[in-house]
Amino acid sequence: GENVEQHPSTLSVQEGDSAVIKCTYSDSASNYFPWYKQELGKRPQLIIDIRSNVGEKKDQRIAVTLNKTAKHFSLHITETQPEDSAVYFCAACQGPQTGANNLFFGTGTRLTVIP
Amino acid sequence: DAGITQSPRYKITETGRQVTLMCHQTWSHSYMFWYRQDLGHGLRLIYYSAAADITDKGEVPDGYVVSRSKTENFPLTLESATRSQTSVYFCASSGSSGKNIQYFGAGTRLSVL
Repeated sequence: GENVEQHPSTLSVQEGDSAVIKCTYSDSASNYFPWYKQELGKRPQLIIDIRSNVGEKKDQRIAVTLNKTAKHFSLHITETQPEDSAVYFCAACQGPQTGANNLFFGTGTRLTVIP
Repeated sequence: DAGITQSPRYKITETGRQVTLMCHQTWSHSYMFWYRQDLGHGLRLIYYSAAADITDKGEVPDGYVVSRSKTENFPLTLESATRSQTSVYFCASSGSSGKNIQYFGAGTRLSVL
């Protein structure tokens, strides 16, 4: 099955700085890579996703990059704000083309933005 | 997000007891999932269902049973709870239109004493 590794496990940045979280995956058949944000005591919520036919995707202050050859994908948050503090999870999925809709999650990164 | 609900939100039970966690979604999503979340392990898939009457094991299915007689409901049963099943359980659903986006319920915090 798929194995997703996520680093770092904790990350502290000063408000206004950038934060980068990196993930690797093992299954070359994976073609969908979402990122979820989970605030303390809340449910995971999708913040951005990328499919394997795209190398980069941006949504305001967040961006995701994908390197299929190296099986790496990363989340970039610019101009961080205190409300960005949360646990972030990456995930990988083979996608509906194979009939597989299961997400394989990384172990999470606890991001703390220091005011 | 209000379209997927879990109950109860909190549950305390004793070792050996049977407990059922409920999940209900109003989107008519084909896929439903059960995850457990433990510190250091992220979200691990327990069982999933591609449609009514179709279920399959995930990464950590031992000790759990699921059923899906109706598209909107996907209950998770711990037949004989153990302390190692103390966790936060999340239900999720997604459609089958080519999108893989999973929407999560608010979670159930289960403590097995």
